Amino acid sequence: GQNIDQPTEMTATEGAIVQINCTYQTSGFNGLFWYQQHAGEAPTFLSYNVLDGLEEKGRFSSFLSRSKGYSYLLLKELQMKDSASYLCAVMDSNYQLIWGAGTKLIIKP
Amino acid sequence: TAGITQAPTSQILAAGRSMTLRCTQDMRHNAMYWYRQDLGLGLRLIHYSNTAGTTGKGEVPDGYSVSRANTDDFPLTLASAVPSQTSVYFCASSDSGRSNTGELFFGEGSRLTVL
Repeated sequence: GQNIDQPTEMTATEGAIVQINCTYQTSGFNGLFWYQQHAGEAPTFLSYNVLDGLEEKGRFSSFLSRSKGYSYLLLKELQMKDSASYLCAVMDSNYQLIWGAGTKLIIKP
Repeated sequence: TAGITQAPTSQILAAGRSMTLRCTQDMRHNAMYWYRQDLGLGLRLIHYSNTAGTTGKGEVPDGYSVSRANTDDFPLTLASAVPSQTSVYFCASSDSGRSNTGELFFGEGSRLTVL
């Protein structure tokens, strides 16, 4: 079966760095996505990786290793507004998105 | 721009009743999706439509139906609601059904409680 694993919850301190990991087992691979979802709101797109390596976008970076079935989202200079759930999703060979359950990130002052 | 609009925002429904969740987008995206989101689970695809006039079944289609009469509207109907359909429902769209762009634009969600 297809599976996306990510930690259920993480806690970090304002101003620090946090890394949210995602491992996947899917039928084929056509890209990995990270979305941010604040409580009670809709998910919003953060990043897309289809080739191995690091993609940087401001305070957020996303890394992919296809051979390891592994990705991480790196958040730097954490701000209180970064408190949210972070969803990892993989597009399989049928171009269907398989979603992880999300990682709830709690930022403490 | 409004993006994607869902209605209602929340609803309490008696089991056995029917309900239609409305979804309208103004971005002229050709692909639209309905997901449900439950605590501890990832988003699960109910139905999708790659273009107006076509629909397809997702991961959890049973008990739900959709239609896509035009580009903008993609309503989701529960013919006879059951308590297990209590969930938050998200409508989403993208500008290509089978591309690997991946960016989905989501509505604000509809919280449905079936008693």
